[in-house]
Amino acid sequence: GQNIDQPTEMTATEGAIVQINCTYQTSGFNGLFWYQQHAGEAPTFLSYNVLDGLEEKGRFSSFLSRSKGYSYLLLKELQMKDSASYLCAVLTNAGKSTFGDGTTLTVKP
Amino acid sequence: GAGVSQTPSNKVTEKGKYVELRCDPISGHTALYWYRQSLGQGPEFLIYFQGTGAADDSGLPNDRFFAVRPEGSVSTLKIQRTERGDSAVYLCASSPRSNTEAFFGQGTRLTVV
Repeated sequence: GQNIDQPTEMTATEGAIVQINCTYQTSGFNGLFWYQQHAGEAPTFLSYNVLDGLEEKGRFSSFLSRSKGYSYLLLKELQMKDSASYLCAVLTNAGKSTFGDGTTLTVKP
Repeated sequence: GAGVSQTPSNKVTEKGKYVELRCDPISGHTALYWYRQSLGQGPEFLIYFQGTGAADDSGLPNDRFFAVRPEGSVSTLKIQRTERGDSAVYLCASSPRSNTEAFFGQGTRLTVV
């Protein structure tokens, strides 16, 4: 099976940078997704990493280390609208994604 | 339609009743996933279709749960003899193919009373 760990909650200040970590243990690893989910809404795709290294996309970046079973999502220039749950999901070579329980980020003025 | 559509958006049913939840994926997406999500938790995998066949149904909690996708497009999740513990938001997602990002519907909030 899979084991995916993320911090439950984080708080940061508007304009700051925050890093949300995800560690995982899985067999048949085939990539890692990050999704954003606002309260009462569906998850929306943020990033996908399959190779080691950093993927940058605007204010959001995601990093993967396959050998360490570790990823992080980096959010820069935080805005109030970034307050949401951030979900780490591991894709296996069987074609399905398994989600962590998410990190609830609160951005304060 | 532009996105994944799920109906109904809300369903309240009595314990022991049968319910059907419908998912209309994005046109042309071959992969379809069902998840359920309880408050404060991440989506829990239920079943994954590639085309018409269930590629992985290992997440279905027991034999009260069943899902079909007879023509490789619309899918229905069926729950028999509902129990209060089945109450959750049931999310459907589709992908152009497996191993790519998933596009989620708004979910069906099921409440069993």
